[in-house]
Amino acid sequence: KAGVTQTPRYLIKTRGQQVTLSCSPISGHRSVSWYQQTPGQGLQFLFEYFSETQRNKGNFPGRFSGRQFSNSRSEMNVSTLELGDSALYLCASSPGQGARQPQHFGDGTRLSIL
Amino acid sequence: EDQVTQSPEALRLQEGESSSLNCSYTVSGLRGLFWYRQDPGKGPEFLFTLYSAGEEKEKERLKATLTKKESFLHITAPKPEDSATYLCAVQAYRDSNYQLIWGAGTKLIIKP
Repeated sequence: KAGVTQTPRYLIKTRGQQVTLSCSPISGHRSVSWYQQTPGQGLQFLFEYFSETQRNKGNFPGRFSGRQFSNSRSEMNVSTLELGDSALYLCASSPGQGARQPQHFGDGTRLSIL
Repeated sequence: EDQVTQSPEALRLQEGESSSLNCSYTVSGLRGLFWYRQDPGKGPEFLFTLYSAGEEKEKERLKATLTKKESFLHITAPKPEDSATYLCAVQAYRDSNYQLIWGAGTKLIIKP
């Protein structure tokens, strides 16, 4: 069974640009969550999508947005990039929303802002 | 305030030297506690879920336990391939939704 796939693996952008990251969940998983991971802050929850609707949101500015498609694939967009947005962005999928099943992670997109 | 604290931050052991990692939490309405392992450049890999105090789960050299205030990840006779960062997360009710609250992790280094 294929795992969670994130593309691209690495990305370099400059301040002020925008970026779109992609996530394909495990087949049959309908919930997709996004996280930002940095050495100083650890894993920080961005948002969760289920059935194409954002169900849960972390404490990030509106520059961070996402969407989910009917096949459960998800994209995350960050506009007006700042230096502090440099991080590993992780996507995780699970069968249901807000459920007690564990989340399964992709290997992330490493975003570097110059 | 919901909080998850992991200790120690880093742990160096000799191969075969058993030890334990700690995850203490203060959350209201605990629904589940999760342990993950993360290797450099990779996403977290799921290890265990614990739902209630007294519950234990085992996998190879790892054993996770849960009390009302903390969880332990016991590592018995570790091997160098057990070197990784171990993350603990607690499912808590926040802002009318369930969210995972993550600890900062324990970096485990097993020397041959």
